[in-house]
Amino acid sequence: DTGVSQDPRHKITKRGQNVTFRCDPISEHNRLYWYRQTLGQGPEFLTYFQNEAQLEKSRLLSDRFSAERPKGSFSTLEIQRTEQGDSAMYLCASSLTVNSTNEKLFFGSGTQLSVL
Amino acid sequence: AQSVTQLGSHVSVSEGALVLLRCNYSSSVPPYLFWYVQYPNQGLQLLLKYTSAATLVKGINGFEAEFKKSETSFHLTKPSAHMSDAAEYFCAVSVGSSNTGKLIFGQGTTLQVKP
Repeated sequence: DTGVSQDPRHKITKRGQNVTFRCDPISEHNRLYWYRQTLGQGPEFLTYFQNEAQLEKSRLLSDRFSAERPKGSFSTLEIQRTEQGDSAMYLCASSLTVNSTNEKLFFGSGTQLSVL
Repeated sequence: AQSVTQLGSHVSVSEGALVLLRCNYSSSVPPYLFWYVQYPNQGLQLLLKYTSAATLVKGINGFEAEFKKSETSFHLTKPSAHMSDAAEYFCAVSVGSSNTGKLIFGQGTTLQVKP
């Protein structure tokens, strides 16, 4: 068990550019979550997957955001045409859940995005 | 709709003193409540969770929290602070009526421990 890993740790980009982040969950964890955390705030739910299926997206999530989890393993989060307001820490978490109850999330260290 | 409010963005205690971090929740269904800790440059780590089995919940590192329905509170305590407890703490509620990973977090409380 190597934990949830996220890559890159830091990303600086110019406004209007596209960026992609990667999350590798704990092996055999079937659920994967993306959260966003801005300075001074708690994490905010973005979306989650069960295996390869994306089950829910936050209504706050812009159409510029897309996430995938091919083959139910790693996941990518892409932001198109980045805006300064996208600057935040993007957190990934995974869990092994059998009956949708009593989940325990394991969080990665996050990817810090700065949009200039 | 569900929400959590953490009272106090910064709490400072002396080493060995009582730690009390306050969290109030709002929920139209019986809530599942959590406390997470975030150390610098690390991911959030679960301290403890309330799932209706017992109102007093014991967690890791000597922390505990008591669910008080009448006060809609879930405050986090530790009898004696240690320097290593300095971190940011988040209270969270599970969305809906099941204990899933979709959580609503409070704004966080930074705990400072003075020697």
